[in-house]
Amino acid sequence: EIVLTQSPGTLSLSPGERATLSCRASQSVSSNYLVWYQQKPGQAPRLLIYGVSSRATGIPDRFSASGSGTDFTLTINRLEPEDFAVYYCQHYGSSRYTFGQGTRLEIK
Amino acid sequence: EVQLVESGGGLVQPGGSLRLSCAASGFAFSDYWMSWVRQAPGKGLDWVANIKADGSEKDYVDSLKGRFTISRDNAKSSLHLQMNSLRAEDTAVYYCAKGGPSGSFDFWGQGTLVAVSS
Repeated sequence: EIVLTQSPGTLSLSPGERATLSCRASQSVSSNYLVWYQQKPGQAPRLLIYGVSSRATGIPDRFSASGSGTDFTLTINRLEPEDFAVYYCQHYGSSRYTFGQGTRLEIK
Repeated sequence: EVQLVESGGGLVQPGGSLRLSCAASGFAFSDYWMSWVRQAPGKGLDWVANIKADGSEKDYVDSLKGRFTISRDNAKSSLHLQMNSLRAEDTAVYYCAKGGPSGSFDFWGQGTLVAVSS
């Protein structure tokens, strides 16, 4: 089973800055089944990115993602106040879904 | 508009049982895999189980096999999770989630809280 490790645990930035979030897999992700979600307090997660780099419907283009093998990155350009939340990466493989532990993006 | 509405959560004693339900609307329910994902208070997300569109295949996280059973009723567009022998560590918000592209969950319910305590 692939283990996903996200870093940093907490990222403190100001609106307008760029956020770079990392997700590292314990084994190579051979399929492109790497996903990113955003979760705000008291809310369900929201799909941001699927297939490593494809934005979900309605997701602004300031959100982008990339990666391959074991290293994946979510980038948020020009942070807006509503972007401060917890972000999770997720993998699907061998009939199993695994999540990273999350990165909290907080206002500096 | 896709809607997933969970129900059935509540306070239950250790060793007890609970059956969660998820009412789906706004999409062709019988065409999609569905899952349950849980989140313990202040913790991250954990996948629990999923079920194929026609109900013919089911998968569970290894640690829950034998205690939890996922099922669906396509005629009623509903998803269920039967939880038996509940433990304190099963305390969490349980989300119903629709299978999306590339192994994602593209829609989530608002969640239902299950609290296991004496």
